[in-house]
Amino acid sequence: KQEVTQIPAALSVPEGENLVLNCSFTDSAIYNLQWFRQDPGKGLTSLLLIQSSQREQTSGRLNASLDKSSGRSTLYIAASQPGDSATYLCAVYTGGGNKLTFGTGTQLKVEL
Amino acid sequence: KAGVTQTPRYLIKTRGQQVTLSCSPISGHRSVSWYQQTPGQGLQFLFEYFSETQRNKGNFPGRFSGRQFSNSRSEMNVSTLELGDSALYLCASSLVQGGGEQFFGPGTRLTVL
Repeated sequence: KQEVTQIPAALSVPEGENLVLNCSFTDSAIYNLQWFRQDPGKGLTSLLLIQSSQREQTSGRLNASLDKSSGRSTLYIAASQPGDSATYLCAVYTGGGNKLTFGTGTQLKVEL
Repeated sequence: KAGVTQTPRYLIKTRGQQVTLSCSPISGHRSVSWYQQTPGQGLQFLFEYFSETQRNKGNFPGRFSGRQFSNSRSEMNVSTLELGDSALYLCASSLVQGGGEQFFGPGTRLTVL
């Protein structure tokens, strides 16, 4: 059974800092990994999708890496802004279950 | 291009009632998945529909059911509501079945009293 863990559970940083969010998964037989952000009471916004054959993806100030063999992914946020405050979720798509398995999320607060 | 839409956005029901939630995917997307989100359990997969057929089902009781129409719109039904069914129900659409990038709607907040 695939299990996804995100560390830390919560993070508070001053504006402008570069930060790294971590995601680990137990079953390396994944099709892809997707990072989302969720604002309070809202749906999920897709940030980046990394296919199992890829090592990283970039979008603006965001960079996500994937090390499938070790079961790890990191989301790097450069020059953080208060608007980045949200919960960040990673999810892996595993062929065996044919579904997305989500981590518990990292709640990020970027302060002025 | 319009995103995934879900209706209604909020629902209040009492125990024992049944409820139907609706999801309209992004135009051209044929896969629709449903998820339940609660503070205690996080996000859990309910089921996925593709071309009007349920392709995969999560570990939920039979009270949870769904269907997909020929225009790819999907409905989810929960019968005999329990207090523990209170949650945010999220729908996601994807261009392909199984492993495509998932795009989520804003969710339906269900409260069971």
